[in-house]
Amino acid sequence: EAGVTQSPTHLIKTRGQQVTLRCSPISGHTSVYWYQQALGLGLQFLLWYDEGEERNRGNFPPRFSGRQFPNYSSELNVNALELEDSALYLCASRWTVYTEAFFGQGTRLTVV
Amino acid sequence: KQEVTQIPAALSVPEGENLVLNCSFTDSAIYNLQWFRQDPGKGLTSLLLIQSSQREQTSGRLNASLDKSSGRSTLYIAASQPGDSATYLCAVSTGTASKLTFGTGTRLQVTL
Repeated sequence: EAGVTQSPTHLIKTRGQQVTLRCSPISGHTSVYWYQQALGLGLQFLLWYDEGEERNRGNFPPRFSGRQFPNYSSELNVNALELEDSALYLCASRWTVYTEAFFGQGTRLTVV
Repeated sequence: KQEVTQIPAALSVPEGENLVLNCSFTDSAIYNLQWFRQDPGKGLTSLLLIQSSQREQTSGRLNASLDKSSGRSTLYIAASQPGDSATYLCAVSTGTASKLTFGTGTRLQVTL
């Protein structure tokens, strides 16, 4: 069974540009979570999607947004990139709050 | 607001030693607690999930305990090996927000 997959694995963007990151959850998982892990910092919660709806978001500006598709895959969009957006972006999925969460390998975003 | 703390922040032990990693959380109204390991620049690998009604879980050389009333969990690693070197993170699921709240991790190095 395939795990959580994220694409791309790495990308480099210029300040001010926009980026889209993608996540495919484990089959059967309806909840998708996005986290940001800046270098040397902990995991910061970005967004939670469940059944196609945004259920919760962390303390991030509106230029961080996303969506979940009918097949439960998800996109994270970041507009007007800033240097401090450089980080590892991690996606996780689980079936319900009572079950195990699984993470993808992440997307390393570098903003120059 | 849920806060998760992990002690120690870093730990270096010789191969073969048994060790204990600690995790504490401020809000005891959790659904469950999950332990992960993270290798440098990689995603998170799930190690153990403990439901709020459970006291401990075991997987191979790993044993995790949970004392929900005191807001504590420990991860016991038996007979440590160099391949155990990684950052270990605990995360709790709390309340209707359903997000995983992470500690800042314990960086473990197992030396030959």
